Amino acid sequence: KAGVTQTPRYLIKTRGQQVTLSCSPISGHRSVSWYQQTPGQGLQFLFEYFSETQRNKGNFPGRFSGRQFSNSRSEMNVSTLELGDSALYLCASSLSAALNNEQFFGPGTRLTVL
Amino acid sequence: GQNIDQPTEMTATEGAIVQINCTYQTSGFNGLFWYQQHAGEAPTFLSYNVLDGLEEKGRFSSFLSRSKGYSYLLLKELQMKDSASYLCAVRDQFTNAGNNRKLIWGLGTSLAVNP
Repeated sequence: KAGVTQTPRYLIKTRGQQVTLSCSPISGHRSVSWYQQTPGQGLQFLFEYFSETQRNKGNFPGRFSGRQFSNSRSEMNVSTLELGDSALYLCASSLSAALNNEQFFGPGTRLTVL
Repeated sequence: GQNIDQPTEMTATEGAIVQINCTYQTSGFNGLFWYQQHAGEAPTFLSYNVLDGLEEKGRFSSFLSRSKGYSYLLLKELQMKDSASYLCAVRDQFTNAGNNRKLIWGLGTSLAVNP
């Protein structure tokens, strides 16, 4: 069974631009979560989607948005990029939204904002 | 507030046993996860505890005390490949609004296993 895939793997953008990241969950998984990982802040929760609905949202500004499609694939968008948005963006999928469901992480997208 | 504390770094010797502690303060509790993350790779699931006690899985064991807000990950018979960051995460309380059940993550403990 194929794992979680994320595209692109690496991205370089400049301040003010916008970016869209894509995540394809493991086949059959309906829950997708997005995280931002930086050395100083660790893993910070962005949002979680289940069956095309956003179920949870972290404490990030409105520049960060996401969506999930009927095939469970998910995208996240960051508008008006800032230098501080440079980070590893991880997507994780799980079978359902059950509390004990382990999350399977993708390899991440390394975003650098210049 | 919500807070998870783990030691930043630990060093151990191949073949030894190491215990990585995690203390948490969250508004609720619906389980604690441990993940392993090798440098440049994605986190991978190690264990899940929701009830007090010890969960053993091969060389890895995880312990939980809900009353103390405390967990530890025990790694036995350390191998060089165990050099990685170990992340503790707590699932917060479910509310009627559907919020606050997200995972709260610690910053991770970087473990170096030396020969």
